[in-house]
Amino acid sequence: AQSVTQLGSHVSVSEGALVLLRCNYSSSVPPYLFWYVQYPNQGLQLLLKYTSAATLVKGINGFEAEFKKSETSFHLTKPSAHMSDAAEYFCAVSDRGTGNQFYFGTGTSLTVIP
Amino acid sequence: GAGVSQTPSNKVTEKGKYVELRCDPISGHTALYWYRQSLGQGPEFLIYFQGTGAADDSGLPNDRFFAVRPEGSVSTLKIQRTERGDSAVYLCASSLEASLPNEQFFGPGTRLTVL
Repeated sequence: AQSVTQLGSHVSVSEGALVLLRCNYSSSVPPYLFWYVQYPNQGLQLLLKYTSAATLVKGINGFEAEFKKSETSFHLTKPSAHMSDAAEYFCAVSDRGTGNQFYFGTGTSLTVIP
Repeated sequence: GAGVSQTPSNKVTEKGKYVELRCDPISGHTALYWYRQSLGQGPEFLIYFQGTGAADDSGLPNDRFFAVRPEGSVSTLKIQRTERGDSAVYLCASSLEASLPNEQFFGPGTRLTVL
């Protein structure tokens, strides 16, 4: 089965600063990769997904992520943090050939300091 | 349009009781998934349906857990003889079909507390 590692359970950035949330997967075959955001008392919302097209993926709310096969990584970035970005972020992977269930990381809680 | 809905939003029960959690997927979505999210953890896969049939139930922790989707739309997750360790947020998601790489749309979850 796939596994996902999100380094840093809590990340704090100043408003306007770069956001970098890390995600590494374990697989010899590049999987499909997703980033979801979860606001308090709300469901998971898709930010972006990698499906083997362009390695640099742009998502909603100014977020983007780059798939790096050599590093088995799919880190999430945003050039300038907004207060509204404060939320829990989850990286997820799905095997290409064995089904559609997602395997999630443990999440990173992002705090934006004014 | 309407998203995935789950009822109830909160459920408090006593150890040993039986509970049912309901999920209404987005209309037209043939694939439906159940996940469990414990405090401080990411969602953990339980089961998914393609139409009426359970295509993969490998994530169900034991035989106290069961899920159905009799008409290929609404699904019910059933937990017998609940234990305190079952306390978690149960998430439901749906997608157009189970073939990748379709986005899964998540509901707000049902928070289950077993006293």
